Amino acid sequence: DMKVTQMPRYLIKRMGENVLLECGQDMSHETMYWYRQDPGLGLQLIYISYDVDSNSEGDIPKGYRVSRKKREHFSLILDSAKTNQTSVYFCASSLPGRSAETLYFGSGTRLTVL
Amino acid sequence: KTQVEQSPQSLVVRQGENCVLQCNYSVTPDNHLRWFKQDTGKGLVSLTVLVHENDKTSNGRYSATLDKDAKHSTLHITATLLDDTATYICVVGDRGSALGRLHFGAGTQLIVIP
Repeated sequence: DMKVTQMPRYLIKRMGENVLLECGQDMSHETMYWYRQDPGLGLQLIYISYDVDSNSEGDIPKGYRVSRKKREHFSLILDSAKTNQTSVYFCASSLPGRSAETLYFGSGTRLTVL
Repeated sequence: KTQVEQSPQSLVVRQGENCVLQCNYSVTPDNHLRWFKQDTGKGLVSLTVLVHENDKTSNGRYSATLDKDAKHSTLHITATLLDDTATYICVVGDRGSALGRLHFGAGTQLIVIP
């Protein structure tokens, strides 16, 4: 069953708290992504991971870091969350160089930072 | 500067009517283009992907075209249903390699009324 699973679905944190968003996939895809979606904007790439411990910054990496210790699992970490990080976060996965045929998205995590 | 522009921004149609959504882009190179459907509060579900110059695809009531010369794509929805109410997102992939990036439009919000 081809699936990208994100946890939690909803999260409320206070400014300055640490945040951990989890993403898992069951397709053994090497490439995984973290995006955020804000009203009126297209999805923006935060980080991309090409495989275990092979991560690269996307377009808006500031304030975020990631961890990929297993191929099927990719975490997004916010150290000391800020109110402007309130957003919906999406994880995706694909086979390397084959996102045309193999791109799958999770259902998203709605993060509110108060 | 936004490299993927979608129009209209929003659209209201009556159930049973047809509608056309537009996507213009400036992404270079343009390896492939994909249309996603995003229900409110949910993840992105792929409708179709177009790869070649002048590609045409069909997926039930959804059909799409791609003109790579004009860097333009259309998504046609035939005989709309209430369940078609969603945001439709156009995504352009810039190359078929592991280093390829995805460029997202902000989406067209379609509302289907009885």
